[in-house]
Amino acid sequence: DGGITQSPKYLFRKEGQNVTLSCEQNLNHDAMYWYRQDPGQGLRLIYYSQIVNDFQKGDIAEGYSVSREKKESFPLTVTSAQKNPTAFYLCASTDVWRSDEAFFGQGTRLTVV
Amino acid sequence: QKEVEQNSGPLSVPEGAIASLNCTYSDRGSQSFFWYRQYSGKSPELIMSIYSNGDKEDGRFTAQLNKASQYVSLLIRDSQPSDSATYLCAVNGDSNYQLIWGAGTKLIIKP
Repeated sequence: DGGITQSPKYLFRKEGQNVTLSCEQNLNHDAMYWYRQDPGQGLRLIYYSQIVNDFQKGDIAEGYSVSREKKESFPLTVTSAQKNPTAFYLCASTDVWRSDEAFFGQGTRLTVV
Repeated sequence: QKEVEQNSGPLSVPEGAIASLNCTYSDRGSQSFFWYRQYSGKSPELIMSIYSNGDKEDGRFTAQLNKASQYVSLLIRDSQPSDSATYLCAVNGDSNYQLIWGAGTKLIIKP
């Protein structure tokens, strides 16, 4: 079955630590996205990538980094510079030829301990 | 700054009634409009897409688009407790790759 896989489902980070969230898709989609969602809030765009080896900052990129070395993979690193990283992180992808419909992974819940 | 606005709710509707969810958007050039449902702790799932003015029906769901007034709505007929969720409105943004998201409306269906 085609889809998007995020791992891990739950992640705990210590103060000052970098952590990496994985996102893999087998939908052959060109575009991939990372969103952050805080309780009771909507989706805020962190980074997006339209093509391999290229990515753009979203609205809240500070304290995060990404890479896009393969079409299928778009990992997100939450660095120690992100002072309030506790949130629900969602990875999504779109096929631009299907009018922007976004497919989501199951999400990663990150907690600072 | 392109925006999508939704009433955060919660919107409480009796079981079996019609739930009406509304969304307004600021960019007159928007072409694609989506409604996603998100259960607590889960990822959003697409339930309706609409691209032209008028109504689009799919089972108990009807999406309505009015580009002149810049709003899109979602009607849920014969509401069920399983419809209780947050409903997110999304509108295409600056390019074919980005969606602008509303903050969502929390819907509660009371048995």
